[in-house]
Amino acid sequence: QQQVKQSPQSLIVQKGGISIINCAYENTAFDYFPWYQQFPGKGPALLIAIRPDVSEKKEGRFTISFNKSAKQFSLHIMDSQPGDSATYFCAAVQEGPWAGNMLTFGGGTRLMVKP
Amino acid sequence: DADVTQTPRNRITKTGKRIMLECSQTKGHDRMYWYRQDPGLGLQLIYYSFDVKDINKGEISDGYSVSRQAQAKFSLSLESAIPNQTALYFCATSDPSGTGNEQFFGPGTRLTVL
Repeated sequence: QQQVKQSPQSLIVQKGGISIINCAYENTAFDYFPWYQQFPGKGPALLIAIRPDVSEKKEGRFTISFNKSAKQFSLHIMDSQPGDSATYFCAAVQEGPWAGNMLTFGGGTRLMVKP
Repeated sequence: DADVTQTPRNRITKTGKRIMLECSQTKGHDRMYWYRQDPGLGLQLIYYSFDVKDINKGEISDGYSVSRQAQAKFSLSLESAIPNQTALYFCATSDPSGTGNEQFFGPGTRLTVL
């Protein structure tokens, strides 16, 4: 049973549009929610992350929205560009000295931004 | 001069063969991880190691083994490869006392088992 469910699996957006990727989690002990970006032939790299004490975090064109009561969070990419074409993974972490930074990943979303 | 390197980058092998995937890092991190990536399933944790003397199973360790030869080296072995182990394999490192929860991934190894 996947603890973090991600949708959609693939997404096509026109240049300049808004890309939205959604994730839902089961375990209420999760307390750190990162998004990773992966380009073809590369490993994933941290893009942006949020903790549940805030409902939104913005870094440039990338925004995470977080709904603790619904156990959902989403990534919004404003003014999407062809260079944003990549696979995006949401993840969840249960922090604490014994937890070991264990990332639980969603299934990934392949984003294509058309010129 | 990548911080996390993996060798080989691509490997094709036959069912029943023993395979070793190697990971080296120059980040000085104590914690290292092995993941496999399958379409639609994200990344699943195979094994992880918090230091040279510590090895732990992840969610999908069956059919795999690991060796932590040094702080900088963490190898993944498939003792007898089978076709459903065809996947992308990633090594990662982290440093909770430094960069917190962030994990740093290598470029991956694409393994095909015929």
